[in-house]
Amino acid sequence: SAVISQKPSRDICQRGTSLTIQCQVDSQVTMMFWYRQQPGQSLTLIATANQGSEATYESGFVIDKFPISRPNLTFSTLTVSNMSPEDSSIYLCSVAVQETQYFGPGTRLLVL
Amino acid sequence: QKEVEQDPGPLSVPEGAIVSLNCTYSNSAFQYFMWYRQYSRKGPELLMYTYSSGNKEDGRFTAQVDKSSKYISLFIRDSQPSDSATYLCAMSVANSGGSNYKLTFGKGTLLTVNP
Repeated sequence: SAVISQKPSRDICQRGTSLTIQCQVDSQVTMMFWYRQQPGQSLTLIATANQGSEATYESGFVIDKFPISRPNLTFSTLTVSNMSPEDSSIYLCSVAVQETQYFGPGTRLLVL
Repeated sequence: QKEVEQDPGPLSVPEGAIVSLNCTYSNSAFQYFMWYRQYSRKGPELLMYTYSSGNKEDGRFTAQVDKSSKYISLFIRDSQPSDSATYLCAMSVANSGGSNYKLTFGKGTLLTVNP
């Protein structure tokens, strides 16, 4: 398994601003993922972040809106740019261990 | 048709009941099946993981996979109030190049176990 922490745990932001979410893992992992979980919805994968390469984005998500950094094997950041109220959601990072994934506690974002 | 269907509930049972949670899927390429438990205001916690048809037991929890029917279940025996949470099924395909880690989730079933 893996122990994952995220910062901040929650935030309230004004529209048009940007927020960077940090994800820290207690061990080195190759693959990290960023998800969004909107109220009443299932988890939706935003992008896959591998160390040393560009993140791979899922359909409907673009790098300009959700830039991702992966500077080493234990850390990643997701930035939510130019936020609107529709970006209010829980953002989760996860890491791949064998054929499954372990999740962080999530960042609850409210955009006013 | 969505790739993974899960009844969102809510499901309310008395303490000690046997709980059955289910998901159906349409993609026959799914090979790995997981159940996550998510408490309110927490991240999903991996509960069970299996990749073959049949049953896998872990304490009070049993995961069942029927690939021929594209149907998976999670059974909770002797349910406790501490089991009250949202249960998410998730699955992934077996693929090379690292893409086998992409998980497709159900919407989750909200379970309440009443003392």
